[in-house]
Amino acid sequence: DADVTQTPRNRITKTGKRIMLECSQTKGHDRMYWYRQDPGLGLRLIYYSFDVKDINKGEISDGYSVSRQAQAKFSLSLESAIPNQTALYFCATSDYAYENEQFFGPGTRLTVL
Amino acid sequence: AQTVTQSQPEMSVQEAETVTLSCTYDTSESDYYLFWYKQPPSRQMILVIRQEAYKQQNATENRFSVNFQKAAKSFSLKISDSQLGDAAMYFCAYMDMRFGAGTRLTVKP
Repeated sequence: DADVTQTPRNRITKTGKRIMLECSQTKGHDRMYWYRQDPGLGLRLIYYSFDVKDINKGEISDGYSVSRQAQAKFSLSLESAIPNQTALYFCATSDYAYENEQFFGPGTRLTVL
Repeated sequence: AQTVTQSQPEMSVQEAETVTLSCTYDTSESDYYLFWYKQPPSRQMILVIRQEAYKQQNATENRFSVNFQKAAKSFSLKISDSQLGDAAMYFCAYMDMRFGAGTRLTVKP
């Protein structure tokens, strides 16, 4: 089984809808991250969490919120989706003991119509 | 804030040849880690190689090696004996939160 899982893998939604992307990990890592990937822009950090009680904004947090329900779970919400949030979304984990190497989920392809 | 720049949006290499992907970064820190990740068409992100800044020796993983120039803040990836399976997007990363825009590598048979 995959160490970092994301659900759903693909999602099409309409403008204005609320949507939640979920991430779970079995690696036992404290650190979790949400990124979005757009062509020509690479991966940009949306939010990150270093433990259950620690939530931090990344460089592009506007229009997004997160919830760290447990060490193993980190969810990303789009409160009111808009078309320019169409992107590939990645969840990742890391552990300081692994020298900040990121372990990625398989990604969620989100399309907002 | 630390930034990572990959100046080559696309690169192409003939199978069995060598190709070098460029990456520069900006930081005021003295100790840090740098990474290269590969994203094949499956879109799964895979670690290729890592370099610790305080280590003088360039990292090597089989056909993949880096040229780390700390003073110049440069971290290039060399792929030797390129294979068709090397075709992918390659991302340079500084520590755990800063990624470059990526370089798309095409391998020609």
